[in-house]
Amino acid sequence: AQTVTQSQPEMSVQEAETVTLSCTYDTSESDYYLFWYKQPPSRQMILVIRQEAYKQQNATENRFSVNFQKAAKSFSLKISDSQLGDAAMYFCAYRRTQGGSEKLVFGKGTKLTVNP
Amino acid sequence: GAGVSQSPSNKVTEKGKDVELRCDPISGHTALYWYRQRLGQGLEFLIYFQGNSAPDKSGLPSDRFSAERTGESVSTLTIQRTQQEDSAVYLCASSPSHGYNEQFFGPGTRLTVL
Repeated sequence: AQTVTQSQPEMSVQEAETVTLSCTYDTSESDYYLFWYKQPPSRQMILVIRQEAYKQQNATENRFSVNFQKAAKSFSLKISDSQLGDAAMYFCAYRRTQGGSEKLVFGKGTKLTVNP
Repeated sequence: GAGVSQSPSNKVTEKGKDVELRCDPISGHTALYWYRQRLGQGLEFLIYFQGNSAPDKSGLPSDRFSAERTGESVSTLTIQRTQQEDSAVYLCASSPSHGYNEQFFGPGTRLTVL
């Protein structure tokens, strides 16, 4: 069964500093997608970044980048130049496709606090 | 354009009552998903609709939960005889097609069962 583990329930960072959020997953598939979603207090899930497993190059979106280690099944998120608006819950997710169905499997999340 | 909308935003009900939650996906999106998020937890998959195909109901936790979708439009999630453990945020998402690499989420419905 596919599982996603986020080992850091909470993290904090100083404004303008860099922080890395950890995620590991378990799968027997060879091609798949991984995602990081942000959930502010408004509850709205916002896609931060995605990575397709067959692409060796790490995805980057402005201040957000990932360190994707396929053999280690690790998918960490790095936030550079942290801003107050980055404070939120961050969820790592794996897209599971089976037959004609698909779903996202989520970790339990990391609460990120940004200190001014 | 308009995003995924859900109603009501918040719902308080008494144990044993039935509730119905609504999701309006982005127009033209054929795939629709329901997830449940308990306090302090990640999202748990409930059900997946794709076009006119039979839905994947494998995530529904009990037979008190059911969901419907008419064509490629609105979906309703019904919980019968609600229990306190049903208290959670229920999130709906849609995507343009099966296999598309992003799901677009609504703001969720917070359900509180007293």
